[in-house]
Amino acid sequence: SHVLTQPPSVSVAPGKTARITCGGSNIGTKSVHWYQQQPGQAPVLVIYYDSDRPSGIPERISGSNSGNTATLTISRVEAGDEADYYCQVWDSFTDHVVFGGGTKLTVL
Amino acid sequence: QVQLVESGGGVVQPGRSLRLSCAASGFTFSSYGMHWVRQAPGKGLEWVTFISYDGINKYYVDSVKGRFTISRDNSKNTFYVQMNSLRPEDTAVYYCAKDSSGSQIPVGGVDVWGQGTTVTVSS
Repeated sequence: SHVLTQPPSVSVAPGKTARITCGGSNIGTKSVHWYQQQPGQAPVLVIYYDSDRPSGIPERISGSNSGNTATLTISRVEAGDEADYYCQVWDSFTDHVVFGGGTKLTVL
Repeated sequence: QVQLVESGGGVVQPGRSLRLSCAASGFTFSSYGMHWVRQAPGKGLEWVTFISYDGINKYYVDSVKGRFTISRDNSKNTFYVQMNSLRPEDTAVYYCAKDSSGSQIPVGGVDVWGQGTTVTVSS
């Protein structure tokens, strides 16, 4: 299956910008989706098709995808953004949905 | 409102079977593919299986192929996963989830999740 590599953790001060990467071979040719998961809760879709935001997701959350890296960017980070974040793709070669290992975002 | 409600979780011995159900409401169930995604204690998300809106296309993660079977009943707005020959490593919270695309393949991301049901495989 397509392997998606995320950093285990990212730390950022309130008000600053957090960037969470998702690495994979030619991931830029795939559609990448991102999820936020708060402790004890189900995941929430925050970005789909690389950079689209579902309704209700603030504009300070954005996504990009090119080459071998997709990036989730959270601007003006707030305490409530502290959560686990996962990237996900559909691997048409293996017919598998693949999740990255997840990144824990800590707001300092 | 759009909602998914799982049921059927519990404690089961290794080698036994369990069937999870997911009841959907608030959207046209027959127009969307559906997933089961699991999360072992303290671990990340793992996709388990997908069924297309018409039940024709089904995909499975390698670790459950031959043991798990996904199905759906569009007349009841419900889909299922039959889990046979359960192993301790199948212990997890199982989420049912809706794909955002109306495609035969799960290209759209998962836009609706259930609250999760816990499956524990232990002797």
